[in-house]
Amino acid sequence: GIQVEQSPPDLILQEGANSTLRCNFSDSVNNLQWFHQNPWGQLINLFYIPSGTKQNGRLSATTVATERYSLLYISSSQTTDSGVYFCAVFKAAGNKLTFGGGTRVLVKP
Amino acid sequence: DSGVTQTPKHLITATGQRVTLRCSPRSGDLSVYWYQQSLDQGLQFLIHYYNGEERAKGNILERFSAQQFPDLHSELNLSSLELGDSALYFCASSVGGGMYQETQYFGPGTRLLVL
Repeated sequence: GIQVEQSPPDLILQEGANSTLRCNFSDSVNNLQWFHQNPWGQLINLFYIPSGTKQNGRLSATTVATERYSLLYISSSQTTDSGVYFCAVFKAAGNKLTFGGGTRVLVKP
Repeated sequence: DSGVTQTPKHLITATGQRVTLRCSPRSGDLSVYWYQQSLDQGLQFLIHYYNGEERAKGNILERFSAQQFPDLHSELNLSSLELGDSALYFCASSVGGGMYQETQYFGPGTRLLVL
């Protein structure tokens, strides 16, 4: 099946810093999404981004489908950005959704 | 608050038992998705229902089953429970049936502990 790898596994940031999270996938996909799970466990859907670039406030994401990767940018990080960021890829053939292992982010004040 | 409710919040049971997890989607949403999050397996997609019909099946075990009722709430039934079934079970809802082409709203999850 498709492999989804996220890097780095852990990231510690000082408040105000910028960072880039990466998601690599091993096969062509029909869709890619980024999620954030806060320290209390709540999951939020951040972006649906099969290709191109999208921005939502201090977060933006870019997917280069031909090269099988996606990047999530966090700018001017805040303590509320702490948590785990997951990417998930969807392949219509077989209706298969696969999650990466996540990047755990800690933003220190 | 996402508008998606899940009950119960916590569940402790024994191996071999059967439990039912319940999910009520946001008002107006027709799709319900179930996910499992465990330390061993990470996040896994289990199953997707749209307006009462099964749309997609992921890594759902045969011991598990789900359904979506006419009022659109959904139940996930887990039977012959094993220690490895201990996990956080999320449901999510979305407006339409286009899987992973629209925003999903997640419930707070049900934490299941099998002893």
